[in-house]
Amino acid sequence: SQQGEEDPQALSIQEGENATMNCSYKTSINNLQWYRQNSGRGLVHLILIRSNEREKHSGRLRVTLDTSKKSSSLLITASRAADTASYFCAADSNYQLIWGAGTKLIIKP
Amino acid sequence: EAGVVQSPRYKIIEKKQPVAFWCNPISGHNTLYWYRQNLGQGPELLIRYENEEAVDDSQLPKDRFSAERLKGVDSTLKIQPAELGDSAVYLCASSPVFRPGNTGELFFGEGSRLTVL
Repeated sequence: SQQGEEDPQALSIQEGENATMNCSYKTSINNLQWYRQNSGRGLVHLILIRSNEREKHSGRLRVTLDTSKKSSSLLITASRAADTASYFCAADSNYQLIWGAGTKLIIKP
Repeated sequence: EAGVVQSPRYKIIEKKQPVAFWCNPISGHNTLYWYRQNLGQGPELLIRYENEEAVDDSQLPKDRFSAERLKGVDSTLKIQPAELGDSAVYLCASSPVFRPGNTGELFFGEGSRLTVL
């Protein structure tokens, strides 16, 4: 069952701008993962941040984790048209991945 | 390296008909997942296998859904009979090792989109 929440539900920005998506969860976690899903395709793993980490970078992606607030954020810098997709967070807790409903990101040319 | 392979990609059936989905995980991946994804939602776990053992099927509607993973490699998910509410995308995913307390990265197939009329 989905117990994670993401906001915003949808985000539309101009190419070149930064995009920030937020994720909240309710339980203690081992790690938190972010995935991307292009329309009609499967999910692709982007980045994993462990519970003892506060920030992690991968290329144009920056993820933060605040376990005291049970929240995470994904920042995509210098967005491109190819970044248009839905982005999902998944909290790894007690042998389960708890998924959010996703943020739909649209990059306008 | 080949990714997770699913078939069929699309299936349209009438309600009360049976349907089956097949998944071949990445070679060497012990853990296999079946998820259901409704439009605009995140994936919902149906069943998780460790090798050939179903270790979490608590969310699988067992009255009409069944799954098997013979020999701990490929897997089949069946629905019989299908209902209108079963229309969704059925995703298969695999991961190399399930370590207690850590799920790790999942590798997803492209999904099987089911439409029940």
